[in-house]
Amino acid sequence: NAGVTQTPKFRILKIGQSMTLQCTQDMNHNYMYWYRQDPGMGLKLIYYSVGAGITDKGEVPNGYNVSRSTTEDFPLRLELAAPSQTSVYFCASGGGLAGSTDTQYFGPGTRLTVL
Amino acid sequence: KNEVEQSPQNLTAQEGEFITINCSYSVGISALHWLQQHPGGGIVSLFMLSSGKKKHGRLIATINIQEKHSSLHITASHPRDSAVYICAVRSLWGADGLTFGKGSHLIIQP
Repeated sequence: NAGVTQTPKFRILKIGQSMTLQCTQDMNHNYMYWYRQDPGMGLKLIYYSVGAGITDKGEVPNGYNVSRSTTEDFPLRLELAAPSQTSVYFCASGGGLAGSTDTQYFGPGTRLTVL
Repeated sequence: KNEVEQSPQNLTAQEGEFITINCSYSVGISALHWLQQHPGGGIVSLFMLSSGKKKHGRLIATINIQEKHSSLHITASHPRDSAVYICAVRSLWGADGLTFGKGSHLIIQP
């Protein structure tokens, strides 16, 4: 199993541009999450999904959108990028029999810089 | 909103020392996670606890639900244990997903 994969690994955007961060998991997990990690701060939840077709906001959803059309994929869309969105983005999946309290598996991260 | 506090924020120790990292949280949880983040940035789950104690190799994690406190212990520490250790909780209420501490940066010197 590849686990959780994310693309791209690095990206530089100009202010106002848009992009999609891709996340795919091959563990048939119901739950998927997007977090961002800023220097000196703990990771924060952006959006999450409890299954295909179901998404919900986390702590810091403004400026982002998500979709979950399949169990495997959970892309994160940035519209009108702003310097405040410069961060490292982690996708995670989990939720076996124990549901949302199950172990989470993290992707390698995407380092995004908005200039 | 759950507040997760970790201590110490930074710790430098000599190889072989016994290491303890503490985590406290403010409201009820259904699970607590300990994660490890290496300098390359990847995050790996070490433990998921809802009660008691778990052990994996030289790592031990404990949780006291009544006191809202957890500890991560490393026995016979080694330079390869150098990493950021992150505590995260799944609150009983609110959004699914974890609330994270800021991490504890551990350096083990040979």
